[in-house]
Amino acid sequence: DSGVTQTPKHLITATGQRVTLRCSPRSGDLSVYWYQQSLDQGLQFLIQYYNGEERAKGNILERFSAQQFPDLHSELNLSSLELGDSALYFCASSVGKANTEAFFGQGTRLTVV
Amino acid sequence: GQQLNQSPQSMFIQEGEDVSMNCTSSSIFNTWLWYKQDPGEGPVLLIALYKAGELTSNGRLTAQFGITRKDSFLNISASIPSDVGIYFCAGHPSGTYKYIFGTGTRLKVLA
Repeated sequence: DSGVTQTPKHLITATGQRVTLRCSPRSGDLSVYWYQQSLDQGLQFLIQYYNGEERAKGNILERFSAQQFPDLHSELNLSSLELGDSALYFCASSVGKANTEAFFGQGTRLTVV
Repeated sequence: GQQLNQSPQSMFIQEGEDVSMNCTSSSIFNTWLWYKQDPGEGPVLLIALYKAGELTSNGRLTAQFGITRKDSFLNISASIPSDVGIYFCAGHPSGTYKYIFGTGTRLKVLA
């Protein structure tokens, strides 16, 4: 158990809908990272937050947004969902802003039908 | 943008054999990390490297931070069936907070 908790584990929704994925980092970790992994693909970096502030942005679509709350949990919001958004979404956390080890949650499997 | 290329993409090996894989980038990295991912699971951290030239072991795994800071190597000795999975390198490119992953090496071990 990495100590990073993601909910829900599975999500099935229709095209055009909006969903929210939640991540609770390990105790003491200030950074949260979000990744998207499509079937048999690598991990695509979406966005990083450190202590409530956005620190780095990757290939995140405009339909997607995220935030980190004062209690350090983070949410990834996906809207106007398309079939191609079906993927595993992972959250990771680390102590520092950079150059530290990141630990991953078990992921949320999103299926858009 | 920064890219991490891993090779080989996939490999079949016999149980008991040693395995080598590497990760290269056109950019300088401050950190190199190696993860293993089983199907449908989150990546699990295997080894973290923080200094150029650093050589670190974790059981049968050994990884090195390349002296140029643009590459890293992971070796697995005496492979066993549970070594099956996808191995990813990851790291922080110098001058950025991004934490990016390589393309992955899919390992299959034949008993």
